[in-house]
Amino acid sequence: KAGVTQTPRYLIKTRGQQVTLSCSPISGHRSVSWYQQTPGQGLQFLFEYFSETQRNKGNFPGRFSGRQFSNSRSEMNVSTLELGDSALYLCASSTASGTFDTQYFGPGTRLTVL
Amino acid sequence: DQQVKQNSPSLSVQEGRISILNCDYTNSMFDYFLWYKKYPAEGPTFLISISSIKDKNEDGRFTVFLNKSAKHLSLHIVPSQPGDSAVYFCAASPKSSGTYKYIFGTGTRLKVLA
Repeated sequence: KAGVTQTPRYLIKTRGQQVTLSCSPISGHRSVSWYQQTPGQGLQFLFEYFSETQRNKGNFPGRFSGRQFSNSRSEMNVSTLELGDSALYLCASSTASGTFDTQYFGPGTRLTVL
Repeated sequence: DQQVKQNSPSLSVQEGRISILNCDYTNSMFDYFLWYKKYPAEGPTFLISISSIKDKNEDGRFTVFLNKSAKHLSLHIVPSQPGDSAVYFCAASPKSSGTYKYIFGTGTRLKVLA
């Protein structure tokens, strides 16, 4: 079974621009979550989507948004980029069924804001 | 406020010895815990999990212990191998709330010396 895929793997943008990242979950997984990883901060939860609806949201400004499509693929958008947005953005998918659920991560998109 | 804490940013262990990675949490609503391993330029890989109804879970060389009263969990790797060198993240989720929001620690970099 194919794993979680993320595109693009690397991205360089300048301040003020916007960016869209894409995530394709494992087949059959309906929940997709996004995380931001920066040095010293670990993985910070951005949001989680399930059946095209945002179910959970972390403490990030409104410049960070996302959506999920009917095939469970998800996109994350960051508008008006700031230098501090430079990070590794990780997507994770899960079946979101049953009581205990495990998330499986993609390789991430490395975003550099200049 | 860091709800999941990994107070040791790094750990070095000799090959063949035991590696013990620690994680503390503050939210008593957390009832599902996971450990992930992350190599550079890759997404985190699921390692092992434990629910709050257990105090120990074992999978090969990896064992996770949960002390609910102390709000502490640990990951034991025995015997440690050079290939175990990676960053290890613990994560927690309040499953009973019906959400799938995972809170991650900041990670511990394990180096296994040959």
